[in-house]
Amino acid sequence: QVQLVQSGPEGKKPGSSVKVSCKASGGTFSSNAFSWVRQAPGQGLEWMGGIIAEFGTVKYAQKFQGRVTITADESTSTAYMEVSSLRSDDTAVYYCARGALDGFDSWGQGTLVTVSS
Amino acid sequence: DIQMTQSPSSLSASVGDRVTITCRASQSISNYLNWYQQKPGKAPKLLIYAASSLQGGVPSRFSGSGSGTDFTLTISSLQPEDFATYYCHQTYSPPYTFGQGTKLEIK
Repeated sequence: QVQLVQSGPEGKKPGSSVKVSCKASGGTFSSNAFSWVRQAPGQGLEWMGGIIAEFGTVKYAQKFQGRVTITADESTSTAYMEVSSLRSDDTAVYYCARGALDGFDSWGQGTLVTVSS
Repeated sequence: DIQMTQSPSSLSASVGDRVTITCRASQSISNYLNWYQQKPGKAPKLLIYAASSLQGGVPSRFSGSGSGTDFTLTISSLQPEDFATYYCHQTYSPPYTFGQGTKLEIK
């Protein structure tokens, strides 16, 4: 079973950027696909995008296209998600998750990103 | 984008009850439908994948069924630890959308 450990909470100003990391252990990093899912306070789950680590192929939800960048570094078994031009409604817990067609079977612990002036 | 609609949005039930949650997709997604349980402050946990396959370690009181556009999650006999929010999730086509969630509360 792959374990995912995310970076710590972030406090950001509107208009700035944030980069969240997700370090994988317990499996072969390159054989996995990783997605990023966010959850605003009291709200449901929202898929932002995902990456196939072996090929670096990335898909984004249209809502986040152009403002979110997802990358993966095989040398450190770490996936990254960067959001630019932050707004107050980007305040959320951001999760990384492993998996694809058969669901997301491993999740990070979540990273709270708070956007406030 | 494929829209996922769950019903009900909330549900009150008692320990021992049989509970069913439904999920409808806006177009056919074959059997690429997953179910998660989420407790407050925790990451979601995969319960069911491919509509009806039980994830390892998940109790057998959880079951899933359906294909195409209509799916159900059934909990055969509610246990105290089952009170949580449940989400359906399609992985047929990106964006991999989630249902809005069903909050299962103690009656």
